[in-house]
Parts: sequence; structure tokens; C-alpha cells
Amino acid sequence: ETGVTQSPTHLIKTRGQQVTLRCSSQSGHNTVSWYQQALGQGPQFIFQYYREEENGRGNFPPRFSGLQFPNYSSELNVNALELDDSALYLCASSFGSSNTEAFFGQGTRLTVV
Amino acid sequence: AQRVTQPEKLLSVFKGAPVELKCNYSYSGSPELFWYVQYSRQRLQLLLRHISRESIKGFTADLNKGETSFHLKKPFAQEEDSAMYYCALMSRGNNYKLTFGKGTLLTVNP
Repeated sequence: ETGVTQSPTHLIKTRGQQVTLRCSSQSGHNTVSWYQQALGQGPQFIFQYYREEENGRGNFPPRFSGLQFPNYSSELNVNALELDDSALYLCASSFGSSNTEAFFGQGTRLTVV
Repeated sequence: AQRVTQPEKLLSVFKGAPVELKCNYSYSGSPELFWYVQYSRQRLQLLLRHISRESIKGFTADLNKGETSFHLKKPFAQEEDSAMYYCALMSRGNNYKLTFGKGTLLTVNP
């Protein structure tokens, strides 16, 4: 059984650019949630995908968007990057949308300069 | 709106001493509470959840609805307990998001 994997592990982008982060869910899991963790803060919910549909969204602007594929892997896209988007982006997978046992990836560290 | 508060950013104890990491929450419905832990250079992982009423690695947490608290306790801390601990609340319904506190960094000194 493979765990949640995220790519890339680190990324540097320039303000205004677009970025795509990727997540492979744990084997057997059909739900993926994305979180943003700024320095010194706890993870903050961005959105969740269940069976390829967005199933809930936190307080993030529309320039944060996502996809889930038939194999349940997922992408997080951020357009028009701002300096404040610099953070660790975490992906978590679970079986079912209730998320009672979420398994986290190691995260992607995004730096916007 | 739901909120999770962990009042201590840092907590330092000696090996063998009792430890309590505080967590208070604000939520209008019936909450489901969790503790997640992140050891150095490892990913965030679930430690325990209140519905299981388990003891994991010697840690326990009791949901106190009257005080809206879910404090994490261990009677005798070990050096390997040193880690970042996050309390989290899950909202049921259309949006099963986890709301995390800011975390408490626990250091257990020898």
C-alpha cells in the first residue's frame, strides 16, 4: 500500500505566475483535500474533491482551483501568484468524504518572489 | 464559524513529567475532534480522535462539551514525544473540512 505523495517538494515562482501542484492519493482512497500551511500556522482548508467533484471549499479566492482525476489523483492550481501564497501546501487523502482518517502527504513548499 | 485555539505555542517538560496540551474549540454543532502530530522531518499524522476513546502512545484526550475543550494528556512524557501537535475539528455536513489550531511545539528534555 503506497502513501500520499506530492510533487514537487519545493518550488520557486515569481509573482503573477501560475503554478500546478500534484498529489497521488493513498491506494484505495477516493477523496483528496488540500490545505495551505503558512509559517507558524496550522493547516488551512482550501477545498476537497470526492469522486472527481469539488465537495467543499474554504475561504480561498477563485484563483485557487483544483481537479481530481479518475484514478483519484489531484492537482491544485493557483493563478496570479501573490507573495502571500508562499506556504507549505498539503494534500490529504481518505476513503469517503467524511475524512475521519485523513492521511497527509509530505507537502510542497511554494515560495513566491 | 468554527475555531480551534491552542493557547500554548511552546511547551517544554522534563522526561517523566506529566504533559497536557490544551485545545479549546468553538463550533455550533456536534464536533468531532482530533489530535494530529508531526515529528521532525515527518509528515502530519493522526494521533487520536475523540470518537475512538483510545490511548495512543500513552496519550489520551477527553472531549469536554461544557468547557468546549479537548486537551491532550500523557502522565509520563518521553523524549520521543517531542513534536508539533495540532488539535483539529471536523465539521460534518456538506463540507467535511478539518479546522486546525496553530499548533503546540512540545519539547521533552532529558
